[in-house]
Amino acid sequence: GESVGLHLPTLSVQEGDNSIINCAYSNSASDYFIWYKQESGKGPQFIIDIRSNMDKRQGQRVTVLLNKTVKHLSLQIAATQPGDSAVYFCAENMPGTDKLIFGTGTRLQVFP
Amino acid sequence: DGGITQSPKYLFRKEGQNVTLSCEQNLNHDAMYWYRQDPGQGLRLIYYSQIVNDFQKGDIAEGYSVSREKKESFPLTVTSAQKNPTAFYLCASETIGTGYTGELFFGEGSRLTVL
Repeated sequence: GESVGLHLPTLSVQEGDNSIINCAYSNSASDYFIWYKQESGKGPQFIIDIRSNMDKRQGQRVTVLLNKTVKHLSLQIAATQPGDSAVYFCAENMPGTDKLIFGTGTRLQVFP
Repeated sequence: DGGITQSPKYLFRKEGQNVTLSCEQNLNHDAMYWYRQDPGQGLRLIYYSQIVNDFQKGDIAEGYSVSREKKESFPLTVTSAQKNPTAFYLCASETIGTGYTGELFFGEGSRLTVL
């Protein structure tokens, strides 16, 4: 498969534990944030998003937290499963543009 | 099923050759994008297009060219002027205007290796 992110920060968790992946974004004016999951050799897939007027948003097994004070975004995955193993990217939307700015990604490894 | 199709998935090129990567979407999306992905780096924007027959340079457009003759298609040409073309290339699309969500839909990627 495709090797993306050979030198990415890596989070290793045991199956069944909760995972927390962190992201620092760059622009205090950014108003929309997305988390993507990228499995080896595939394109990124949307996981969850959040707008800047919210602090927290929950999906199925995933929660995104936004701290605008310190420009920090986190993705929490409950009861991590082997299928969650992937590289996770955060992205921010620059107001007034139609472009997303992507972070460098974090590799999540789930072991039994 | 609707989606974005990139081809080829793997491509090898000799130095000095141009190569074109295909991207087709049947999602009726207005905007299409090309990103480059290198190990240890985030996605970097090469070119994008929000409407047919119009496109804009992204952050790393040098050595690349695109066209947008049809809404469904946004091919990327990697020219011989691109100094380090070996990378994983991702095409994406999204709807803009009414129905805009900010979510990009990605293809499966094309891996280009220069020999």
